[in-house]
Amino acid sequence: LAKTTQPISMDSYEGQEVNITCSHNNIATNDYITWYQQFPSQGPRFIIQGYKTKVTNEVASLFIPADRKSSTLSLPRVSLSDTAVYYCLVGGGGYNKLIFGAGTRLAVHP
Amino acid sequence: ETGVTQTPRHLVMGMTNKKSLKCEQHLGHNAMYWYKQSAKKPLELMFVYSLEERVENNSVPSRFSPECPNSSHLFLHLHTLQPEDSALYLCASSQDHENTGELFFGEGSRLTVL
Repeated sequence: LAKTTQPISMDSYEGQEVNITCSHNNIATNDYITWYQQFPSQGPRFIIQGYKTKVTNEVASLFIPADRKSSTLSLPRVSLSDTAVYYCLVGGGGYNKLIFGAGTRLAVHP
Repeated sequence: ETGVTQTPRHLVMGMTNKKSLKCEQHLGHNAMYWYKQSAKKPLELMFVYSLEERVENNSVPSRFSPECPNSSHLFLHLHTLQPEDSALYLCASSQDHENTGELFFGEGSRLTVL
């Protein structure tokens, strides 16, 4: 079971780029890396998923180095509404690997 | 709107009550999940259903009883709960239970046990 480690909290200001790194040293060959965003009293929302190299969508980018032992979620030009908890999830090929860690609490300030 | 609807959004119950949480997904997915999120704790996976068959019971006390009558509906029946069971209960679905990690969550049901 791939365990993930993320910073507990981060602070940023509006308009800045935010990078949140997740460590997953024992990631398995068939594991994917998925990031979720959660606002208070709501369910987590899928942001982005990748297997290797770089993935970009309309809200974020995901950078995965060649050894896949870590990944970095990049949020360009954050706004106050990006204040949330961000979870890195590593798994694939089996529901029993869909284990959430503690997440990173991002606070965006004016 | 995620395509996963949970009702009720808020529920207060006594320790001797019996209540149920309902989840419905409109995504045509084959797998459904119940997660529990207590204050300041990570999400805990409780149950997994695939094509209406329970494939995972993560050491959940018997006072929580899931039911999946079809692939679109999932229930969590609650009875004789304890105050420590107060939490946000989240339902999720995915294309199938052997998936890469893309889950679609509902808004959650906030349960308070008095």
